[in-house]
Amino acid sequence: QVQLQESGPGLVKPSETLSLTCTVSGGSINYYFWTWVRQPQGKRLEWIGNIYYSGSTKFNPSLKSRLTMSVDTSKNQIYLNLTSVTAADTALYFCTRAKGSSGLDIWGQGTMVTVSS
Amino acid sequence: DIQMTQSPSSLSASVGDRVTITCRASQNIGSYLNWYHQKPGKAPKLLIYAVTDLESGVPTRFSGGGSGTVFTLTINSLQPDDFATYYCQQSYTIPQTFGQGTRVEIK
Repeated sequence: QVQLQESGPGLVKPSETLSLTCTVSGGSINYYFWTWVRQPQGKRLEWIGNIYYSGSTKFNPSLKSRLTMSVDTSKNQIYLNLTSVTAADTALYFCTRAKGSSGLDIWGQGTMVTVSS
Repeated sequence: DIQMTQSPSSLSASVGDRVTITCRASQNIGSYLNWYHQKPGKAPKLLIYAVTDLESGVPTRFSGGGSGTVFTLTINSLQPDDFATYYCQQSYTIPQTFGQGTRVEIK
């Protein structure tokens, strides 16, 4: 079955760029929306944004100015870059697959990112 | 942003109980309402999408209802595996938003 695996540095310094990769295995990224969600410790889930396999994106307006997403269909990978990070960006970051507007049906295990000097 | 508010924030229940969680949206979201549960240290799992549709493989003791701004998740005959935190999510508009969660604990 389709599985998602997030990867990236666990520690990022303030003002630097957070870069994460989501690798999709057991299926193709084609014809799906791929969504990043984050969860600060003890807080609710936050929708970061999504990207269609074609590359079109929709972002959370609160993050839009700092956020880029991209896909590499040949590698079955999805990428997230968040610039100028602060402690408020410390969270568990999940890569997910969206069933259109019908929920997020597949989730990676998540990768913890801490912003600290 | 559309605010999603769940009630209660936590509840204690016993195996076999019927449990209902309510989710209220700050504006009409039609039928774009999904439910997840999450266990400690794990990713959320989709239970119900589009208010009432059960995700594949999810037990039929889970059911959803509501429309517009008020929605419910009901668990009939609570099982040990159901003790977790439950979240609602609106997928009506960007940014999609989640409720604050309802923690279901063992009484």
